[in-house]
Amino acid sequence: KAGVTQTPRYLIKTRGQQVTLSCSPISGHRSVSWYQQTPGQGLQFLFEYFSETQRNKGNFPGRFSGRQFSNSRSEMNVSTLELGDSALYLCASSPFGERIGELFFGEGSRLTVL
Amino acid sequence: QKEVEQDPGPLSVPEGAIVSLNCTYSNSAFQYFMWYRQYSRKGPELLMYTYSSGNKEDGRFTAQVDKSSKYISLFIRDSQPSDSATYLCAMNSGNTPLVFGKGTRLSVIA
Repeated sequence: KAGVTQTPRYLIKTRGQQVTLSCSPISGHRSVSWYQQTPGQGLQFLFEYFSETQRNKGNFPGRFSGRQFSNSRSEMNVSTLELGDSALYLCASSPFGERIGELFFGEGSRLTVL
Repeated sequence: QKEVEQDPGPLSVPEGAIVSLNCTYSNSAFQYFMWYRQYSRKGPELLMYTYSSGNKEDGRFTAQVDKSSKYISLFIRDSQPSDSATYLCAMNSGNTPLVFGKGTRLSVIA
């Protein structure tokens, strides 16, 4: 079974631009979560989607948004990029209803903002 | 006070040593406790999963949860160079987002 796939793996943007990251979950997984990982703050929760609905949202500004499609694929968007948005963005899927908290992570999209 | 505290290390041990990794937490509602392992340039992967208090063993790995002290541990016996990674504790109270520690970077030297 294929794992969680994230694209692009690496990208460089400049301040003020926007970026869209994509995530394809494991087949059959209906829940998708996004996390931001930085050396200073560690993994911080952005949002979680289940059946195209946002179930939970972390404490990030409105510049961070996401969505989930009917095939469970998910995208997140960051508008008006700031230097502090440089991070590894991790997507994780889970088979909702099974082991609570068990997330299957992709390898991440590493964003550098110049 | 952060919800989950974890010493970032780095921790360097010789091959064959017993490794002890720990996290403390403040939210008494946490019921599900996990340890994830993250290799360089990879996403985290689930290593150990525990519900409520107690111990769980899986091969060379043992996870312990002490809810009365709000303290969880991961022990690695006979550590190997392939265990070199960042270990992240994670926990939640049910259908709430996982809260992660910042991770402890471990190096096992051959």
